[in-house]
Amino acid sequence: GEDVEQSLFLSVREGDSSVINCTYTDSSSTYLYWYKQEPGAGLQLLTYIFSNMDMKQDQRLTVLLNKKDKHLSLRIADTQTGDSAIYFCAESPNSGGYQKVTFGTGTKLQVIP
Amino acid sequence: NAGVTQTPKFQVLKTGQSMTLQCAQDMNHNSMYWYRQDPGMGLRLIYYSASEGTTDKGEVPNGYNVSRLNKREFSLRLESAAPSQTSVYFCASKLSGAGGLTDTQYFGPGTRLTVL
Repeated sequence: GEDVEQSLFLSVREGDSSVINCTYTDSSSTYLYWYKQEPGAGLQLLTYIFSNMDMKQDQRLTVLLNKKDKHLSLRIADTQTGDSAIYFCAESPNSGGYQKVTFGTGTKLQVIP
Repeated sequence: NAGVTQTPKFQVLKTGQSMTLQCAQDMNHNSMYWYRQDPGMGLRLIYYSASEGTTDKGEVPNGYNVSRLNKREFSLRLESAAPSQTSVYFCASKLSGAGGLTDTQYFGPGTRLTVL
């Protein structure tokens, strides 16, 4: 079945860049997502990328996709203490209709002031 | 517009007790989902309802039942709670239309359940 893997923990200093990595196994993955979960809250969609794209940039966020290696990364520039959260990588074969999404284990980002 | 709401926020049960977790959305979404979140395991799908009137098993359905009461509400029931069901439970909903950035899953704030 589908599998999405992430490292569990990342610590960075405020102002540095953070890079969170993810690997997935399903070759039919068409949509790849990054969600953010703040303490005590549900998941919020940060950004997503189609499998036919290599890169997507949205303000401080850059998503890179290496489809050959099935590797996805999320770069946060100028990381702030408010970025401290758990970040989930997720993949889905579709976007419309009912959607089966496979989530990674989540990476806890700790930002040190 | 409250989005996805869940009740209760916290619950402690004894082994063997039953309870129902409530979820409601006011976004006129077609699909609804129940996930559990455990440390180091990400989110796992328990049950989902692709549209009003239908429900299907997800990855970890054992020990749970669901009811799609109407388009707005999707409840999750534990008939006889076990310590292995200690977890954080999230409900999500999705428009399930043509797709796109706004046609994605919206999550509730979660219910933290402890079974002793």
